[in-house]
Amino acid sequence: DTGVSQDPRHKITKRGQNVTFRCDPISEHNRLYWYRQTLGQGPEFLTYFQNEAQLEKSRLLSDRFSAERPKGSFSTLEIQRTEQGDSAMYLCASSFSLTDEAFFGQGTRLTVV
Amino acid sequence: GDSVTQMEGPVTLSEEAFLTINCTYTATGYPSLFWYVQYPGEGLQLLLKATKADDKGSNKGFEATYRKETTSFHLEKGSVQVSDSAVYFCALSEIQGAQKLVFGQGTRLTINP
Repeated sequence: DTGVSQDPRHKITKRGQNVTFRCDPISEHNRLYWYRQTLGQGPEFLTYFQNEAQLEKSRLLSDRFSAERPKGSFSTLEIQRTEQGDSAMYLCASSFSLTDEAFFGQGTRLTVV
Repeated sequence: GDSVTQMEGPVTLSEEAFLTINCTYTATGYPSLFWYVQYPGEGLQLLLKATKADDKGSNKGFEATYRKETTSFHLEKGSVQVSDSAVYFCALSEIQGAQKLVFGQGTRLTINP
């Protein structure tokens, strides 16, 4: 296992378009997290899953954002009708529920033009 | 709500210098505390952690002690190397094992030979 994998690494999109990102967690990890990081800031929590259940969503996650984790494996994060303010690095992390270490992917950098 | 405040950067030091990066936190309960590091072009990596008051986390020559009385978790290293150049993030998690991390804004560290 090579760790948490995110795809694509970079995405440039026009304002108003929809985008979807994928995260493949470490295989034995049942918790999966999404964070957003803007330039010069620390990551901000967006949402997390335990297996296929989405247990919490941040107020940062507007109704244009939706995340899924079918079958408790990979996860997707979709942003509809993108806005320039959505430009950021989107980070995925996973952990095994009984420990408190999260492993992060390298992120997907979104640029909305 | 919970928050983490880090020493502002960027920080530039010479090789073999002593490093301190200050971190203070605000939390309602008894959080776990973490330092993450982000090397250029890589994902966030856990550097060290402490889960209760007076615990000392250590790794790769870095240390941080959980100080409940001062709500601090300062990162220290006795002799830095060029390879330590990275962005360092202090973070907390209120819920053990849930990894809903609250991050500071990050401190960029550059070590000159």
